[in-house]
Order: sequence, then C-alpha cells, then structure tokens
Amino acid sequence: EVQLLESGGGLVEPGGSLRLSCAASGFTFSGYGMAWVRQAPGKGLEWVSVMSGSGGSTYYADSVKGRFTISRDNSKNTLYLQMNSLRAEDTAVYYCAKEAGHSRPFDYWGQGILVTVSP
Amino acid sequence: EIVLTQSPDTLSVSPGERATLSCRASQSVSSNLAWYQQKAGQAPRLLISDASNRATGIPARFSGSGSGTDFTLTISSLEPEDFAVYYCQQRYSSWTFGQGTKVEI
Repeated sequence: EVQLLESGGGLVEPGGSLRLSCAASGFTFSGYGMAWVRQAPGKGLEWVSVMSGSGGSTYYADSVKGRFTISRDNSKNTLYLQMNSLRAEDTAVYYCAKEAGHSRPFDYWGQGILVTVSP
Repeated sequence: EIVLTQSPDTLSVSPGERATLSCRASQSVSSNLAWYQQKAGQAPRLLISDASNRATGIPARFSGSGSGTDFTLTISSLEPEDFAVYYCQQRYSSWTFGQGTKVEI
C-alpha cells in the first residue's frame, strides 16, 4: 500500500524558514517523480514543485522560484521542501504527491501538512 | 502558462441526478488532462487520467471525455458521497489546476 506522510509544518514568522519532509512507502521511490502541491485556506490547488525520480530534474512554480528548494533522499525514501523567505501568501496546506509516471498525473497524495506564516 | 477554466463554479444537484462538469484549456493539452475529487478536510483523489481513463477503484458512474481544449467530467447518477469539489489538471506543459467546481446538494 502506497503511503505518503508529511511532517515539519507549523507556524513561522514572515521571512522565516521551514523544511517539510514526506516519508514514502509501498512503492519504488526512486522510480517516480514526486511533487509538492499546496492549497491556501478556502482556495484551490496550486502545484509548487516537482522533482524527477533520479533527482536530476526539478521544476518550480514562479511563485516560489528562488525561495523554495525541492530535494529527495532515495536511500531514505523521503522527499523534502526547504522553504525560505516565507511570506503570508505561502500559508497553506502542503501536500506531497506521487506522479503516476513521467508526464502523468498525481496518483497518490499525502494527508497534507499546514504551514502558517504569521507574525 | 496554460490556464484551465472550470465551469460552473458551483453545481447544485440532487442525489440520483446526472452532473456534468466542464474544463476548458487556454491552449491545446491534447489528452493530457486529469480530474480529481476532493472532499472537505481530505487530500485530492485521482479520478480520471488521459481525459477518459478511470483510475484504479473509481466507480463506473464517473466518466471523462474531450481532447484539445474542451473536457467534460460526467457523474451519471450522483451518490451522497460524490458531493465534493472537483479539479481538472493538465500535464501537457508544466502543471496547472483549474479553480475547481463544487458539487453540492
């Protein structure tokens, strides 16, 4: 059974940093691209970042480019999102999601973790 | 950036009725379109990939159609558990989601 478990969320002040983790199990982690998708309170879904299975390719939404860094440790089956220079508009539930394959949709999602950016 | 526009924003239907949701892309995405269902307080769930292929375990009452710029998700006979928000998403060029359609009673 595929499981994705996010951790590391919480309250942080504007300008601060936070690192999210996503522990994966139930599939060959290195064989799949992984993503972070967020959802601001009461709003829709927004993709944040995607990393290929090997870690060789990374993609970022313009809204986070230069501030967020996605990474993965395939030996630990874990995906990360380092978030720096956080802004109020980064407040959201952050979901870890698995790609079904290259250029495929997200077939499994974690339960989400809340990040709140506030003084 | 490819923009996906869903309509309507809210669809009010009764259990047992048919629901038809629309997703329009600002440029062609071929058949590279997926649909997700999200219930309150839960993560999204993949329903449809490649515009018309049901994901594993998705009931047959859910069907998708379309290609290019115009897509439709149809729920043939609404069950109580189908009342949720539905999102379309393209993976033809980068990743974008539609703004969502809420299906309510």
